[in-house]
Amino acid sequence: KAGVTQTPRYLIKTRGQQVTLSCSPISGHRSVSWYQQTPGQGLQFLFEYFSETQRNKGNFPGRFSGRQFSNSRSEMNVSTLELGDSALYLCASSSGTRMPGELFFGEGSRLTVL
Amino acid sequence: GENVEQHPSTLSVQEGDSAVIKCTYSDSASNYFPWYKQELGKRPQLIIDIRSNVGEKKDQRIAVTLNKTAKHFSLHITETQPEDSAVYFCAASGENYGQNFVFGPGTRLSVLP
Repeated sequence: KAGVTQTPRYLIKTRGQQVTLSCSPISGHRSVSWYQQTPGQGLQFLFEYFSETQRNKGNFPGRFSGRQFSNSRSEMNVSTLELGDSALYLCASSSGTRMPGELFFGEGSRLTVL
Repeated sequence: GENVEQHPSTLSVQEGDSAVIKCTYSDSASNYFPWYKQELGKRPQLIIDIRSNVGEKKDQRIAVTLNKTAKHFSLHITETQPEDSAVYFCAASGENYGQNFVFGPGTRLSVLP
């Protein structure tokens, strides 16, 4: 089985711009969740999508949004970028039951905001 | 909300020695506790997990123990090898929380040859 694929792997943006990141989950996985990883804050949960619906949301401002398509692929968008948004954004897929289980992470998209 | 603390933040051991990393959680509703290993430049990968109906779980050189009363759980690695060098994250989640995990800040383990 192919693993979780994230694109792009690296990107550089300037303050005020917006960015869209993409994630293709493992085939058959219906849940996609997004995490932000920074040296100072560690891994922080952004949101989870299941069957095209946001099922859980973390404590991030409304500038962070996401969606999921019928094929389970997901995108997340960050608008009005700030310097503090520089981070590694990790997507993780899982089978999708309500019971928590193993997360299969992608390689991540490293965002640098200048 | 849930809060997960992890200690120590860095740990150096000699090859062949044991390593122990401890985490505490605050939400008594949490009932699933995974451990992830992240090697430099790589993605986090699950190495072991435990649910609250079990007190201990072992997989070869790795074991996890859970104390629900004290709300803490620990990762034990025996006979450490250089390839065990990585950052280890503990996490907690609860039933009906889906894949909303609260992660600890991580422990950087260095296994010295």
